[in-house]
Amino acid sequence: EAGVTQSPTHLIKTRGQQATLRCSPISGHTSVYWYQQALGLGLQFLLWYDEGEERNRGNFPPRFSGRQFPNYSSELNVNALELEDSALYLCASSPGISGREFHEQYFGPGTRLTVT
Amino acid sequence: AQSVTQPDIHITVSEGASLELRCNYSYGATPYLFWYVQSPGQGLQLLLKYFSGDTLVQGIKGFEAEFKRSQSSFNLRKPSVHWSDAAEYFCAVGTNSGNTPLVFGKGTRLSVIA
Repeated sequence: EAGVTQSPTHLIKTRGQQATLRCSPISGHTSVYWYQQALGLGLQFLLWYDEGEERNRGNFPPRFSGRQFPNYSSELNVNALELEDSALYLCASSPGISGREFHEQYFGPGTRLTVT
Repeated sequence: AQSVTQPDIHITVSEGASLELRCNYSYGATPYLFWYVQSPGQGLQLLLKYFSGDTLVQGIKGFEAEFKRSQSSFNLRKPSVHWSDAAEYFCAVGTNSGNTPLVFGKGTRLSVIA
């Protein structure tokens, strides 16, 4: 069974540009989560999508946005990039929003975003 | 809201020695508890999980964790550490509320020396 995949592996952007990160969940999983892992800050919850809807959002500005497609894959967009957006962005998926399985998140390898 | 504390930022152990990584949580009811491991530059891998029942949980790679409600803890243990266990370890807590995402601790970095 294929795991969570993310693309690209690395992304280098200039301050002020926009970045688009992509995630494909495990087959059968409907929930997708996005996390930011900046140096020394641990995992910060960004966004959670399920069945195409945004279910919850972390404490991040509106220039962080995303969407989930009908095939459950997801996109994270970061507009007006700032230097402090440089981080590893992790995507995770889980089987759904009900029951214990909701909490079993399986992570992708991440996208390393560097803003110069 | 729930919270997680991992008191140790960095731990160094000798190969073959035993390991215990600490995790304390704050939540009013019975939480769902997880341990993840992250190798350098990689995503997180689920080591083990606790939902209910037996408080001693076995995971992959020879790890186990024990849920102690009285101490609000979920410490991770391994009897004999291998050099390949060097990584970052994250404890996470979830609730039975359908709209609340997992909350992760800040992680403990494990170094293994010969």
